[in-house]
Amino acid sequence: EPEVTQTPSHQVTQMGQEVILRCVPISNHLYFYWYRQILGQKVEFLVSFYNNEISEKSEIFDDQFSVERPDGSNFTLKIRSTKLEDSAMYFCASLSQSSGANVLTFGAGSRLTVL
Amino acid sequence: SQKIEQNSEALNIQEGKTATLTCNYTNYSPAYLQWYRQDPGRGPVFLLLIRENEKEKRKERLKVTFDTTLKQSLFHITASQPADSATYLCALPPSGGYQKVTFGTGTKLQVIP
Repeated sequence: EPEVTQTPSHQVTQMGQEVILRCVPISNHLYFYWYRQILGQKVEFLVSFYNNEISEKSEIFDDQFSVERPDGSNFTLKIRSTKLEDSAMYFCASLSQSSGANVLTFGAGSRLTVL
Repeated sequence: SQKIEQNSEALNIQEGKTATLTCNYTNYSPAYLQWYRQDPGRGPVFLLLIRENEKEKRKERLKVTFDTTLKQSLFHITASQPADSATYLCALPPSGGYQKVTFGTGTKLQVIP
């Protein structure tokens, strides 16, 4: 069964530091996503990415965030200057479209702790 | 904007009983609705999808219903087992030409042996 791979599984960083979270989506999928889940809260959409550009982003995804797909396989989320409130699980997902329905396959997540 | 609500944050049920979880939505007429399972510290895993023209969908011990008039989906687990303990999320598909899948807050199900 194809899977989405995320690294690191857990990262601890100091406030103000840059963080890069990495994802390898499923190879034949075309849409890629980052979602965030603060402890005890809902899974929140951050950004979707298609054809090497952002197709949609939420209000959470401000100028501190960026995404790129530098080499055709990895899909990264960068947080330029982390804040305490960025502490959360970050999930990468890729989308399969079958018979007109969109189904997301998620990675295991990267837990970010900002001190 | 579209809203999706799962009324119960938590549901405790005795092993062997049927668990019923509720998902309501507003400001939207989705072509389908999805249910995912999330275990602690893990990403959501897709379980079932039900389309607007389907009243009911089954997969093993899982059953989903979809009432487009009530704007509600019910998710049932029959003969529940402790291994079914997890958070269950309903999700609305993208709308308006976008690709965002929107998740409900989830219902944490605990099956008690």
